[in-house]
Amino acid sequence: AQSVTQLGSHVSVSEGALVLLRCNYSSSVPPYLFWYVQYPNQGLQLLLKYTTGATLVKGINGFEAEFKKSETSFHLTKPSAHMSDAAEYFCAVAPSDSGGYQKVTFGIGTKLQVIP
Amino acid sequence: DSGVTQTPKHLITATGQRVTLRCSPRSGDLSVYWYQQSLDQGLQFLIQYYNGEERAKGNILERFSAQQFPDLHSELNLSSLELGDSALYFCASSVDLDPYEQYFGPGTRLTVT
Repeated sequence: AQSVTQLGSHVSVSEGALVLLRCNYSSSVPPYLFWYVQYPNQGLQLLLKYTTGATLVKGINGFEAEFKKSETSFHLTKPSAHMSDAAEYFCAVAPSDSGGYQKVTFGIGTKLQVIP
Repeated sequence: DSGVTQTPKHLITATGQRVTLRCSPRSGDLSVYWYQQSLDQGLQFLIQYYNGEERAKGNILERFSAQQFPDLHSELNLSSLELGDSALYFCASSVDLDPYEQYFGPGTRLTVT
């Protein structure tokens, strides 16, 4: 069984400030972890993913996330927010042993507002 | 543009009716996934097809069915529609069975009145 908890359904930051979106997961096997972004009236776009190897993962648009097994966390950060970062962000988890069977579980999403 | 296309963009229909949503995956992608996104349930995985065969099922109702055709496009059929079926329906595709990089289409917004 697996689950994802995103802390904060709405987050507001000032333009230029640090963006921190929190994600905690639960998984009975080693997880694969993802962050997706959804802009208004669009589908989801993969920002970054952790599968194996380096625990600090860099993605598109200056975002990065760190897998912390001891804290069961995969928080998303960006040093300086841009207005264009305003969107909804989804954390997702999948078991690493699913053998091709799709078992990705998405969090409820966090809407990021960037204030000028 | 992800390369995944979905039609129609919007669909308004009445309770009890049946609708078909269509998805064309990215060129070369063999796997297609269907998701339902609603305000109260979030993003829910419905079903996955790989090269024409059903591979995984998620929270898909018995009133819903899907198929993937030889040209790899997929259709999601929703029947006996209820008000609660109003949602955004996304299709995603990936190259192979181990998908962890899915490309999402723009979605079909279904409104049941």
